Amino acid sequence: NAGVTQTPKFRILKIGQSMTLQCTQDMNHNYMYWYRQDPGMGLKLIYYSVGAGITDKGEVPNGYNVSRSTTEDFPLRLELAAPSQTSVYFCASSYSGSREKLFFGSGTQLSVL
Amino acid sequence: AQKVTQAQTEISVVEKEDVTLDCVYETRDTTYYLFWYKQPPSGELVFLIRRNSFDEQNEISGRYSWNFQKSTSSFNFTITASQVVDSAVYFCALSAYISNFGNEKLTFGTGTRLTIIP
Repeated sequence: NAGVTQTPKFRILKIGQSMTLQCTQDMNHNYMYWYRQDPGMGLKLIYYSVGAGITDKGEVPNGYNVSRSTTEDFPLRLELAAPSQTSVYFCASSYSGSREKLFFGSGTQLSVL
Repeated sequence: AQKVTQAQTEISVVEKEDVTLDCVYETRDTTYYLFWYKQPPSGELVFLIRRNSFDEQNEISGRYSWNFQKSTSSFNFTITASQVVDSAVYFCALSAYISNFGNEKLTFGTGTRLTIIP
């Protein structure tokens, strides 16, 4: 059972470039999340989805976009990358929301130079 | 406001010592859930425990125990007889309804980096 799979694990971008972080879960979870983790700052919610076709903003959505065309996939798009987006990104999923435990992917370390 | 405070940024103890990680939370909701997650050096966050606001019973799981006290808004985590494999960053988190968020919101503390010295 793969759980939550994120790709890539590492990426270096130049300022102004764009990229998509992929996230797939095979647990048939309704809820999916994208977090960023900055040193000493805990995890901040970027976007979340309560089901296919439904997405909403979290605490720090600026500079990002998401889509949820299937239950399994929840890609995160970075447009016009900026140094402030240098961070570790985690995708997570749960069956019925944040009152349930979250299952996390292994993370993507992104550097924007 | 919803907030989780982990005042201990870093802790180092010698193997086999007991260690307690503190977590203090703030919420206006009467129904909420508290969590602890472990982030080992590999990076992936792993769920450890969930408690709801109506259940103040302490919990023990092997060398791990959790003390939930609503009177002090604390949910502390103790590792007994620590081992090197316990070295990780530990996050406390709170899930409660936020009206201007329109949904349940999970708020993480800033984490405590625990180092077990062999």
